[in-house]
Amino acid sequence: QQQVKQSPQSLIVQKGGIPIINCAYENTAFDYFPWYQQFPGKGPALLIAIRPDVSEKKEGRFTISFNKSAKQFSLHIMDSQPGDSATYFCAARLNNAGNMLTFGGGTRLMVKP
Amino acid sequence: DADVTQTPRNRITKTGKRIMLECSQTKGHDRMYWYRQDPGLGLRLIYYSFDVKDINKGEISDGYSVSRQAQAKFSLSLESAIPNQTALYFCATSDSGSRGSTEQFFGPGTRLTVL
Repeated sequence: QQQVKQSPQSLIVQKGGIPIINCAYENTAFDYFPWYQQFPGKGPALLIAIRPDVSEKKEGRFTISFNKSAKQFSLHIMDSQPGDSATYFCAARLNNAGNMLTFGGGTRLMVKP
Repeated sequence: DADVTQTPRNRITKTGKRIMLECSQTKGHDRMYWYRQDPGLGLRLIYYSFDVKDINKGEISDGYSVSRQAQAKFSLSLESAIPNQTALYFCATSDSGSRGSTEQFFGPGTRLTVL
């Protein structure tokens, strides 16, 4: 049973579109929510992260929206580019559990030129 | 220069064989992790180690074992490989968090196929 549920599994958008990837969790002991980006043949790399005391975090074209009451968070990619084509993983860290991360199932994003 | 390296990058083996995947890091991190990635299931934790003498089972440790030979080296073994262990395996490292960052840094992965 996955503790972090991610949707959709795959997503295709046109260049300039705004893909949105959603994640939901049940465990209220999670205290940190990172997103990782993975290109083919590479390991995942941290993209952006948020803590539950804020509702939004923006870094460049990437924005995390966080809804604590609904236990949901999402990644928005503004003005998406073909170079954003990758697999995206949301994750959640358990408070006081030594930086242990629970990952969502991943979303394969394709941005068409 | 890669900070987290994994060898081999690809491996094909047969059912019942013993396999070792190796991970080395030059980041000076205390913590190391082994994950497997399967389509639709994301990354699942197999084992983790907070220092050389501290090794713990993760979510899916059955059929796997690990060895932390030094701070910089963490190996994953499949004692008797089976086909459903076919997957992409990643090693990751992180600082202990005392300096503020708890980001995990991943290696490039090992693609393992068990026939």
